[in-house]
Amino acid sequence: GAVVSQHPSRVICKSGTSVKIECRSLDFQATTMFWYRQFPKKSLMLMATSNEGSKATYEQGVEKDKFLINHASLTLSTLTVTSAHPEDSSFYICSASGQGVVANQPQHFGDGTRLSIL
Amino acid sequence: QKEVEQDPGPLSVPEGAIVSLNCTYSNSAFQYFMWYRQYSRKGPELLMYTYSSGNKEDGRFTAQVDKSSKYISLFIRDSQPSDSATYLCATFTGGGNKLTFGTGTQLKVEL
Repeated sequence: GAVVSQHPSRVICKSGTSVKIECRSLDFQATTMFWYRQFPKKSLMLMATSNEGSKATYEQGVEKDKFLINHASLTLSTLTVTSAHPEDSSFYICSASGQGVVANQPQHFGDGTRLSIL
Repeated sequence: QKEVEQDPGPLSVPEGAIVSLNCTYSNSAFQYFMWYRQYSRKGPELLMYTYSSGNKEDGRFTAQVDKSSKYISLFIRDSQPSDSATYLCATFTGGGNKLTFGTGTQLKVEL
């Protein structure tokens, strides 16, 4: 149980392109989804937290107009990197957490999207 | 001082060894503790999730939490080459579920 699917796993595109990454919870309802960025050999850096039907909460230093997050349903959140540039190249990972009968559920992670901007 | 401290390694052990991975934390408000395993180019996979002080066992893995000393551990028995990965400890206070991670320990189990 608790499977999170992230798509695509790899994207290579030209500078100036906008890229959309999808994150789906396959077997549970995700009341909260998170987006992280990870640099090589580093831990995960939280970019934003989104609750279904609400605007995302961005961490300090993360440009909300650059990284658009939509959490339109309890099973889907999307991250759009707008007008991507080479410095946006990174490993982006989503996670999802449900609040079912038992509160304070742990986060379950997708397999990440490796984004390369040429 | 980071809220969660974790030795980054790398840690290299022979196959079959018992592995001990550790984290310390400074915020006594942290209530929930997790260990994640991350293979290269993959997302973290939840291994253990605990709330109270004490031990929790799942197969070859045992998670230990000592809230009085703010110390959490993961033990891996009979380690296998397939256990080679980065292990991340994580914790949160509850409610908003925002995680605080350790830096991760890179483990290599050699044949």
